[in-house]
Amino acid sequence: KQEVTQIPAALSVPEGENLVLNCSFTDSAIYNLQWFRQDPGKGLTSLLLIQSSQREQTSGRLNASLDKSSGRSTLYIAASQPGDSATYLCAVHTGTASKLTFGTGTRLQVTL
Amino acid sequence: EAQVTQNPRYLITVTGKKLTVTCSQNMNHEYMSWYRQDPGLGLRQIYYSMNVEVTDKGDVPEGYKVSRKEKRNFPLILESPSPNQTSLYFCASSFSGGTPYNEQFFGPGTRLTVL
Repeated sequence: KQEVTQIPAALSVPEGENLVLNCSFTDSAIYNLQWFRQDPGKGLTSLLLIQSSQREQTSGRLNASLDKSSGRSTLYIAASQPGDSATYLCAVHTGTASKLTFGTGTRLQVTL
Repeated sequence: EAQVTQNPRYLITVTGKKLTVTCSQNMNHEYMSWYRQDPGLGLRQIYYSMNVEVTDKGDVPEGYKVSRKEKRNFPLILESPSPNQTSLYFCASSFSGGTPYNEQFFGPGTRLTVL
């Protein structure tokens, strides 16, 4: 059974810092991995999708890497801003039926 | 605007009173799915649908029903809600469930409280 772990559970950083969020999964037989952002009381916004054949994806200040063999992904946020404060979720797509298995998230706070 | 919509966004009800949460997408997606999100447990899949008239159970289907009569709609039905179904519910869709490489898009969520 696929299990996804995100460390740390919460993180507070001052504005301007670069930071890394970690995601690990137990079954390396994944199709892809997706990073989401969740704001309080709101839905999930897809940030990046990395296919199993890819090593990384970039979007603006965000860079996500994937090491499928070791069961790890990282989300790098450059020059963090207060508007980046949110919960970040990673999810892996395994098996049939397009099911995503989610981690429990990292709650990020970027302070002024 | 391409989106997944859910209604209602917030609902407080009582034990045993049947309710339906609607989900609609305007992207012509084949695949739709329901998740629930609970503190410490993350998001767990309830039901999914690969296409019209094709539905199947996810990880936590007990107490829920779904139907997929039209491509754009995938309602979640709680025939006799109980307090343990108090949760935040998300609907999701992607282009094709049979091709496992597609990005999934999520609705804004429905916060359900069952008293």
